[in-house]
Amino acid sequence: GDSVTQMEGPVTLSEEAFLTINCTYTATGYPSLFWYVQYPGEGLQLLLKATKADDKGSNKGFEATYRKETTSFHLEKGSVQVSDSAVYFCALSGDRGSTLGRLYFGRGTQLTVWP
Amino acid sequence: ETGVTQTPRHLVMGMTNKKSLKCEQHLGHNAMYWYKQSAKKPLELMFVYNFKEQTENNSVPSRFSPECPNSSHLFLHLHTLQPEDSALYLCASSPGYGRTMNTGELFFGEGSRLTVL
Repeated sequence: GDSVTQMEGPVTLSEEAFLTINCTYTATGYPSLFWYVQYPGEGLQLLLKATKADDKGSNKGFEATYRKETTSFHLEKGSVQVSDSAVYFCALSGDRGSTLGRLYFGRGTQLTVWP
Repeated sequence: ETGVTQTPRHLVMGMTNKKSLKCEQHLGHNAMYWYKQSAKKPLELMFVYNFKEQTENNSVPSRFSPECPNSSHLFLHLHTLQPEDSALYLCASSPGYGRTMNTGELFFGEGSRLTVL
């Protein structure tokens, strides 16, 4: 079945460091891919998304490229800030042609950025 | 301010209590979801409602009883819970659930932190 695997955390970085959080997926068909972020004490919110192969999603300095050949959607940011400290979730949705609208989430990666 | 509002934000209850969690969305969406977020575990989809009809129940114990009176409101009624049910319960909405309306994006509330003593 469809699933997402993301790197285990926690990830601890100094401010201005480069961030990569790995995410790989297993899916049939052509899923859409997402990164959600959960700040402390809040619900999840969409960070970025990509709906087809080779698309690059970007937002707030974060980027991720939908790589069908490696079934990956790694999250990157060139220079993290303390305010980026949060839990990051990779997710995929079913094939556009599917009647299922559910999202499959990874386990989440805790990021802590120190000043 | 989120378009999905959950109340209460925190709830402590005994195992014999009956309580309810409420979710309201102001986004004009037609699908609503309950997720359970426990420490060290992946997000668990519990229930899905599409146009007020339940379309998915992921083998959730009957001590959790959802109710969706209209497309804007979703409740989770709690009765005879166990300590392992302590978790953050997240409500979400989306434009729809199904082939023609699925964009994959969910809009989450801030969650209700439940503690069962």
